[in-house]
Amino acid sequence: GESVGLHLPTLSVQEGDNSIINCAYSNSASDYFIWYKQESGKGPQFIIDIRSNMDKRQGQRVTVLLNKTVKHLSLQIAATQPGDSAVYFCAETNAAAGNKLTFGGGTRVLVKP
Amino acid sequence: DGGITQSPKYLFRKEGQNVTLSCEQNLNHDAMYWYRQDPGQGLRLIYYSQIVNDFQKGDIAEGYSVSREKKESFPLTVTSAQKNPTAFYLCASSRGQDTQYFGPGTRLTVL
Repeated sequence: GESVGLHLPTLSVQEGDNSIINCAYSNSASDYFIWYKQESGKGPQFIIDIRSNMDKRQGQRVTVLLNKTVKHLSLQIAATQPGDSAVYFCAETNAAAGNKLTFGGGTRVLVKP
Repeated sequence: DGGITQSPKYLFRKEGQNVTLSCEQNLNHDAMYWYRQDPGQGLRLIYYSQIVNDFQKGDIAEGYSVSREKKESFPLTVTSAQKNPTAFYLCASSRGQDTQYFGPGTRLTVL
């Protein structure tokens, strides 16, 4: 079936290094992708999004890359800080799904001092 | 958390009881959603509403009910028919097919 999934469940990163979180999706009709950050006991927080007519989008210290050929999405965090420790989720939707998002299982990022 | 509030933050329920979780938004968003999150897992859609007085079942609607009488409010009732209701419940809202913004969540525990 259609799914959005993540390659790595846990990512340990040294403070100051760059982090890369990967996400694979299977629905070729997916046209809108979102990355969320969730800290323990809190609701997911929007980080950045990208539409299928783009292959790269940058925010503050974050970059999302979209490779539609291989159905792969990644989130890059530059100069990872302790406050970046959280679980990161990718989500996707498409026109046929209306407003419904499909979430991946999440990747935990642990920042080591 | 934006302009989305959920209450209470923690909720305890005895077996056989119905409980209602509150979700309010002041973002003027048309669409609202309820998700369930179990420990160490992703989010699963329970119900969603794209417009007032209309809602649709998500992937795990059994044992839950909702209403959408006002644009700002989308309460979720966890009924006694829900066999394993202990979880973290998240409400979200969006303007059409744009980004969904989440509330702070309600942690429900069945005693």
